[in-house]
Amino acid sequence: QAQLQQSGPGLVKPSQTLSLTCAISGDSVSSNSAAWNWIRQSPSRGLEWLGRTYYRSKWHNDYAESVKSRITINSDTSKNQFSLQLNSVTPEDTAVYYCVRVDSGCLRDWGQGTLVTVSS
Amino acid sequence: DIQMTQSPSSLSASIGDRVTITCRASQSVSSYLNWYQQKPGKAPKLLIYAASSLESGVPSRFSGSGSGTDFTLAISSLQPEDFATYFCQQSYSTVTFGGGTKVEIK
Repeated sequence: QAQLQQSGPGLVKPSQTLSLTCAISGDSVSSNSAAWNWIRQSPSRGLEWLGRTYYRSKWHNDYAESVKSRITINSDTSKNQFSLQLNSVTPEDTAVYYCVRVDSGCLRDWGQGTLVTVSS
Repeated sequence: DIQMTQSPSSLSASIGDRVTITCRASQSVSSYLNWYQQKPGKAPKLLIYAASSLESGVPSRFSGSGSGTDFTLAISSLQPEDFATYFCQQSYSTVTFGGGTKVEIK
């Protein structure tokens, strides 16, 4: 079982960039069996998968169509962590953001969640 | 994207009741269907994976069934700690979730 620790600001201004980091313990971001995901939850949109990064001989990234033009997920092997950047945020991006470890399609290990509010 | 529809969106039940929640996929997801429990202020917790396999440490009163497009989560005898919101999630094609079912005390 992996432990995921999220960090990043809880308040972001409209049009700016939301940045969160997820530090991993108990597994490796370069694992050949896990994928490292970002998911958000809001009352209006429910649980929404945003994207993932994973290593299978090389790095792969997949993003949800709804945010594809604005999102970047990166991995940092030296720090064993991965990050989320979401550009040009609006109040609709206000949500609780989770980093999640996925293996065999199951979301087994979750970060503690970060409430990000987009407001001036 | 594969759409997941859960029903009901909420239900009221008493301790000891049998409760069932259904989840329908907009196209076949085979058995790539998982169920989660979420309590207020907490991240979701995996209960059932691959439609019918019980996650380690989850009480046996929880069970899952179904394949293709129609799935069911059952709680055989509702306990006080089971009052929560339940979500289905497909992993056949990336990840999508159902809208959730809130189980409340009657």
